[in-house]
Amino acid sequence: QVQLQESGPGLVKPSETLSLTCFVSGVSVSSYCWSWVRQPAGRGLEWIGRVCTSGGTYYNASLKSRVTMSVDTSKNQLSLTVSSVTAADTAVYYCARLVAGHWGQGTLVTVSS
Amino acid sequence: DILMTQTPLSLSVTPGQPASISCKSSQSLLESDGKTYLYWFLQKPGQSPQLLIQEVSKRFSGVPERFSGSGSVTDFTLKISRVEAEDVGVYYCMQTIQLPLTFGGGTRVE
Repeated sequence: QVQLQESGPGLVKPSETLSLTCFVSGVSVSSYCWSWVRQPAGRGLEWIGRVCTSGGTYYNASLKSRVTMSVDTSKNQLSLTVSSVTAADTAVYYCARLVAGHWGQGTLVTVSS
Repeated sequence: DILMTQTPLSLSVTPGQPASISCKSSQSLLESDGKTYLYWFLQKPGQSPQLLIQEVSKRFSGVPERFSGSGSVTDFTLKISRVEAEDVGVYYCMQTIQLPLTFGGGTRVE
């Protein structure tokens, strides 16, 4: 059974860097591409980008200059960093393998001083 | 980017009655391999989204038969034959034919 679990600080100060990890169990992260999706409160889903061990990364242009995604195959986990955060980055962040229906439970990140 | 437009924004349905949600894409989602890369998700209140339909019409594992997907190229529909109380939430369509992946704005079913 594939499971994804996001973790990270729930509160980040403006202008600082948001860092999240996603631990994956039940499948090797090397086997597929993985997405990060975020959802501000009461709003829709925004695809942030994806990371593939074999095929590199692709970031949504809306965040491209501030986002970095990576895969740690030794720990079977994913990571996401978003730099220079503002209140607009406050959202629930999900890691997912979308086409297979695998989602984490999501982690709320609030940007506030 | 491919724009995904869902209608209606919200839908109030009586249990036992049918429901239908439309999703239109700004570009064809039909790939040269013959597959059409359109997916449907349901996000129940307080939960992560869950996959309902793959590639227009393939029900995901465990999804009840009352859910069906149809359509082609740029016009797609999700139908619920008889809505049940557990079907409330926000439904999203998503395309994966082109990066960036994009979602529709969502349709709230209540």
